[in-house]
Amino acid sequence: AQKITQTQPGMFVQEKEAVTLDCTYDTSDPSYGLFWYKQPSSGEMIFLIYQGSYDQQNATEGRYSLNFQKARKSANLVISASQLGDSAMYFCAMREGRMDSSYKLIFGSGTRLLVRP
Amino acid sequence: EAGVAQSPRYKIIEKRQSVAFWCNPISGHATLYWYQQILGQGPKLLIQFQNNGVVDDSQLPKDRFSAERLKGVDSTLKIQPAKLEDSAVYLCASSSLYPQGAGELFFGEGSRLTVL
Repeated sequence: AQKITQTQPGMFVQEKEAVTLDCTYDTSDPSYGLFWYKQPSSGEMIFLIYQGSYDQQNATEGRYSLNFQKARKSANLVISASQLGDSAMYFCAMREGRMDSSYKLIFGSGTRLLVRP
Repeated sequence: EAGVAQSPRYKIIEKRQSVAFWCNPISGHATLYWYQQILGQGPKLLIQFQNNGVVDDSQLPKDRFSAERLKGVDSTLKIQPAKLEDSAVYLCASSSLYPQGAGELFFGEGSRLTVL
């Protein structure tokens, strides 16, 4: 069975500094996708970044980058130049199922990030 | 493009009462998901529809939860009778059947249920 592990329940970071949120996964499927979502206190899930298992380069989206280490089965999210608005819950998720068929996302338990001014 | 719509946003009920949540996915999205998110945890998939058919309901407590997606568009999730442990946020999400990009799920704002 596929599994997502986020070992950091909570983290602090100083404004303008970078922070890394850890995510490890377990799957026997050679084709998979990894996602990061942000959930502010308002509750909506906001998609941040995606990494496919066959992608050669680490994904980047603005201040977000994904440190993908396939051999270690890790997909850590790096947020550069943290802002107060980055304070939220962050969830790592893995796609189960093929993109050309029905698929779903399996989520980790999340990391709460608090940015200090 | 309108996002995923959910209602109600908040609901408070007594245990053993019933409740229903409604979801309208993004137009054209064939796949619809209901997730349950208990406070402090990640979302857990309850049921997945493709058009109006059920793809996965393996984690749906079928003795009390039911869901339908008539005509392959809107969906309703019902709980009857509710238990204290059903207190959670119920998130509806949708996705395109053949996504061009990452294939991410688009989520609604959620329906927060409190069972007293």
